[in-house]
Amino acid sequence: DAGVIQSPRHEVTEMGQEVTLRCKPISGHNSLFWYRQTMMRGLELLIYFNNNVPIDDSGMPEDRFSAKMPNASFSTLKIQPSEPRDSAVYFCASSPGQPNTGELFFGEGSRLTVL
Amino acid sequence: GEDVEQSLFLSVREGDSSVINCTYTDSSSTYLYWYKQEPGAGLQLLTYIFSNMDMKQDQRLTVLLNKKDKHLSLRIADTQTGDSAIYFCAESITNQGGKLIFGQGTELSVKP
Repeated sequence: DAGVIQSPRHEVTEMGQEVTLRCKPISGHNSLFWYRQTMMRGLELLIYFNNNVPIDDSGMPEDRFSAKMPNASFSTLKIQPSEPRDSAVYFCASSPGQPNTGELFFGEGSRLTVL
Repeated sequence: GEDVEQSLFLSVREGDSSVINCTYTDSSSTYLYWYKQEPGAGLQLLTYIFSNMDMKQDQRLTVLLNKKDKHLSLRIADTQTGDSAIYFCAESITNQGGKLIFGQGTELSVKP
C-alpha cells in the first residue's frame, strides 16, 4: 500500500513567492496533520483535520499560512508570501482516527528553502 | 501548555545499550510513543505504550513508563550502527482527536 505522499520533495523559492505543498493521506485515514521541522524549534504541529474539517490551527504561525482539505484524499499547505524564516521541512501525516493507538503515518517531507 | 522534553544527543559504542529519556506534561495521555527518524526521511513509529502499563518489551527495545514522575524511557539493547537516527518521544493529547506533541528529538550516534 502507498504511504502518505507529499510533493514537492524539495522546493527552492525566492522571498515573496507563493509556495504550495501537497499531501495525499493514506486511503481510509480520517485524520491529517501538518508539521514543520526546524533545527531551532524541532517538530511543530501547524494544523490538523478530522474528516476534512480543520480542528486546531493554533500552530499556524501567521496569516501567511493557510491549509485546506477539499476532500479525504488531498490537502494543501500554502504560504503566501514566503519568507526566509519559513525554510524548514514540512511533514504531512495521517491517522486512522479513533479507536486506535493514535499512530501517525508520516510522509517523506517537503524541504522548503526560501532565499 | 503541553510539553515534551528530551536530551538532544546521545553517543554510544556498538554493542552497548542506549537509554533515551523523555518527560511529558499531560498526565491523562492515553498513549506515549517513540518514533525514529533516519536522515532525509519522515518519522516512523518504533513502539508505543498504553498509559496503564509500566513496561513494554519488543525484541531489542524496552519502554519504561513512570506515570508518577511523567517519565518515559527507551532502551535499545545491543545498539548497532544502523540504530543511528533521531528518536522522538510523543504524547497523545486527551480529547484532541489524535493530536500528538513531540519532543525535540534525541540524536543517537553509534560508534563502531
